[in-house]
Amino acid sequence: GAVVSQHPSWVICKSGTSVKIECRSLDFQATTMFWYRQFPKQSLMLMATSNEGSKATYEQGVEKDKFLINHASLTLSTLTVTSAHPEDSSFYICSATQAGLNNEQFFGPGTRLTVL
Amino acid sequence: LAKTTQPISMDSYEGQEVNITCSHNNIATNDYITWYQQFPSQGPRFIIQGYKTKVTNEVASLFIPADRKSSTLSLPRVSLSDTAVYYCLVGDRSRRALTFGSGTRLQVQP
Repeated sequence: GAVVSQHPSWVICKSGTSVKIECRSLDFQATTMFWYRQFPKQSLMLMATSNEGSKATYEQGVEKDKFLINHASLTLSTLTVTSAHPEDSSFYICSATQAGLNNEQFFGPGTRLTVL
Repeated sequence: LAKTTQPISMDSYEGQEVNITCSHNNIATNDYITWYQQFPSQGPRFIIQGYKTKVTNEVASLFIPADRKSSTLSLPRVSLSDTAVYYCLVGDRSRRALTFGSGTRLQVQP
């Protein structure tokens, strides 16, 4: 099956710093990638949808200037958490879809962000 | 998007069959039913998808009654490694974004 990777798998940073998380589709070209956030004991919540070469579409309540998404190629999307604060600590998960496969989403393993 | 309702948690023992039911009363004609499994600190993993009647694969079966207002994920002979959260999602396959409900936390005991 299609494989999606994320890097790093976990990161700890100081408050006020920026953190970049990468999402890669390893064996297919992803026309669309999604970014989700999951707090402990809670479900996944969609943050934004990104299509290669265009601006991301953010869900209501998600600050686009704080969570910068770049989908520069068909195999790579990045999420940058700018000026991170402790409340941004969460599990960030990306997924990708490949056109023509019933839009099935393939999820990455997630990135655990801890902001001190 | 059709809203889904699942039990918050379930307990079982190794070797038993587990059935998790999901209600989706306002499912639309074009909607499919998809189940995902998620282990702690991992991304969700696709389990099974169906539209009507019964679908079976190597890990689970999905039963969907004629009115499609509910569905049941059946896990045969569960093991400790099946302890996870199971999500039922309903949506048109042309839609890209997935809306996750609260999921069912399955705990398998020895």
